[in-house]
Order: sequence, then C-alpha cells, then structure tokens
Amino acid sequence: DAKTTQPNSMESNEEEPVHLPCNHSTISGTDYIHWYRQLPSQGPEYVIHGLTSNVNNRMASLAIAEDRKSSTLILHRATLRDAAVYYCIRNTGNQFYFGTGTSLTVIP
Amino acid sequence: KAGVTQTPRYLIKTRGQQVTLSCSPISGHRSVSWYQQTPGQGLQFLFEYFSETQRNKGNFPGRFSGRQFSNSRSEMNVSTLELGDSALYLCASSMTGYDTDTQYFGPGTRLTVL
Repeated sequence: DAKTTQPNSMESNEEEPVHLPCNHSTISGTDYIHWYRQLPSQGPEYVIHGLTSNVNNRMASLAIAEDRKSSTLILHRATLRDAAVYYCIRNTGNQFYFGTGTSLTVIP
Repeated sequence: KAGVTQTPRYLIKTRGQQVTLSCSPISGHRSVSWYQQTPGQGLQFLFEYFSETQRNKGNFPGRFSGRQFSNSRSEMNVSTLELGDSALYLCASSMTGYDTDTQYFGPGTRLTVL
C-alpha cells in the first residue's frame, strides 16, 4: 500500500527496546491498524492491533498518534527470535493493505 | 488446533496455462482471504470470501478468481498465466472477517511461471 510507509530496515541490540515506526497519512477514521511479522519461509503472524488508543499485549505495545497518521510498534526487549520483517497494515473493511515492511536485525 | 494449510507448496507452470491453488482454513473459521507477495509489489490483497460469497476484491485483473466451499475451504484460480504472476500466494483465515479479527496465515504456495 503506497499510503503506508515504513523504513526498509532497522537494527537493535539484543534485550534492548525497539521502536518500529509507520506512517499511514491517509488512514480513515474507521481503519484499524494492525502489525504482523513474517519470518523467512513463513506466512505473516499477528503481533498487535488498535484503532485509536495505545494497546499492549504480551508480545508488544502499539502507540498510535493522536491524529492517527502514524503509529509505532514497540518491542520492549528484543530477542534473536524477533528478527523478522514487520508489516504495518491498514485494515479497511477486513481488507489488509500492507505497508512496505521493516526488516529488523537483532544483534547479539 | 491445526493451522491454515495450503497446497501445493510449490508449483511451476508455463505462460498461458492456468493454475488452481487450495487453502484449508482453521476449523471454525469462515473467512478466507488471499494475498500475492512479490519482491517488487510487496503483499497485495486479492480477495476475501465469507460463507461462500466474495465480500471484497482487490485491484487484480479478472484472470484471478476464487471460490469458497461450504466447509470454508477455498480455491484460487489464475488463468492465462503471465511471467509477472510468479509470486508467493498466501491465504489467511479468520473467524468472522471483522476488522478486529486476527488473520492466521498459511505458509503460502510459491508459483513460478516460465
């Protein structure tokens, strides 16, 4: 989705927090923001989702800007198993519009 | 509970042929979505089926079609294959297809068109 942009790649040291940004400048008021990640040779797997307010689950936190034009996925302590491509997704009427994806490298 | 399964995992076809890919959703899931993943275009939504009806369709030509059976299994068909159809085709299932539903993805079918 050309309207959902992410940095191509990011690096993080193991056990440090990681903030993965996403810009969705044309998101509508009813579009949910989902984050999925994809490991090599696998389909994407769910990480977290939200609409307007910040969300937490056991995997991560999602911070959504007040104007909803951007969001940030926060991994509190990166592990080697978190190395993957992370996708920010605009979900409109159950149609997933994937962002460009950020390849996360975790350095031991 | 078994995950989403897709068959075949790998497929090689030649230009002009047609192909059918199969997806078995997680038991109890009624919504199945299909996606195309290529290095150039990334992940793109193809269509979504719920209770045997196509509810949503992405921006793909009519050569791409699908259907869903009463047991929620889904098939995707591509006719008159082109080189650009080479891609990883992913299907995902969810309980109801609502915006807050989690989609569970299969491992994909890797299609190569020669």
